[in-house]
Amino acid sequence: AQKVTQAQTEISVVEKEDVTLDCVYETRDTTYYLFWYKQPPSGELVFLIRRNSFDEQNEISGRYSWNFQKSTSSFNFTITASQVVDSAVYFCALYSGNTGKLIFGQGTTLQVKP
Amino acid sequence: GAGVSQSPSNKVTEKGKDVELRCDPISGHTALYWYRQSLGQGLEFLIYFQGNSAPDKSGLPSDRFSAERTGGSVSTLTIQRTQQEDSAVYLCASSLAAQVGYIYEQYFGPGTRLTVT
Repeated sequence: AQKVTQAQTEISVVEKEDVTLDCVYETRDTTYYLFWYKQPPSGELVFLIRRNSFDEQNEISGRYSWNFQKSTSSFNFTITASQVVDSAVYFCALYSGNTGKLIFGQGTTLQVKP
Repeated sequence: GAGVSQSPSNKVTEKGKDVELRCDPISGHTALYWYRQSLGQGLEFLIYFQGNSAPDKSGLPSDRFSAERTGGSVSTLTIQRTQQEDSAVYLCASSLAAQVGYIYEQYFGPGTRLTVT
C-alpha cells in the first residue's frame, strides 16, 4: 500500500521561529518520488520541491530545507526564520509506479503570527 | 508563461444536473491530471492523461464521472446527475511527459469550486 502521513494537522508559530513539518511515507517500490506543495489562502497549489528515492542529499533553498531519510521513510520540511507569508497549508506527496498519481498527505496548516 | 487555467472558477448546480469542467494545461505539457479536494477526503486523484489517452480510469469515483482530452491539450471533466457529495474543488494539473527514470513535477491550476445544492 502507498500512503503519506502528515501527523501534524495544525502548527502555530510566532514570526522568526523555525518550524519543521513532518512527512512519513509508505511504499514498496524502490523507485519513487517525493514532493512538497504549498497551498496559500488563495488556494492554488504551488510546487516546492521534488526528490527521487535515490537521492538522499538534503536540500536547502533560502529559508527552506528538506531532510530525506530512507531509513525512517521520512521527508521533513523545515522553514527557518518563519514569516507571516509562510502561512499556508503544506502537502507532502508520493509518486510511485507509472500511474501518474500523486498520493497526498492530509496536509499541515501552518499559521505564522506576527 | 501562462500556467494551468481552469473554468469556470465557481459552479453552483442543482442536484441531478450535469456539469462540465474545463482545463487548459501549460503549453507543451503532454501529461494532464485531475484531482478533487474536499474537506473529508483531502486531495484525491481522479484520472491521468498522457496525450489523449487515459491509461487508468479507476480513480474516477463512479460511472457518473467521465473525462476526455482532445488534441493533446484541453481536457473536460464531466459529472452527470450531480449529487451533493460531488461538492468539492476540482483541480487540474499538467506536467512534461515522464522520461525513463525521471518524473517531472505537476503544476496545478486554481481549481473549480463545485457546489451541488
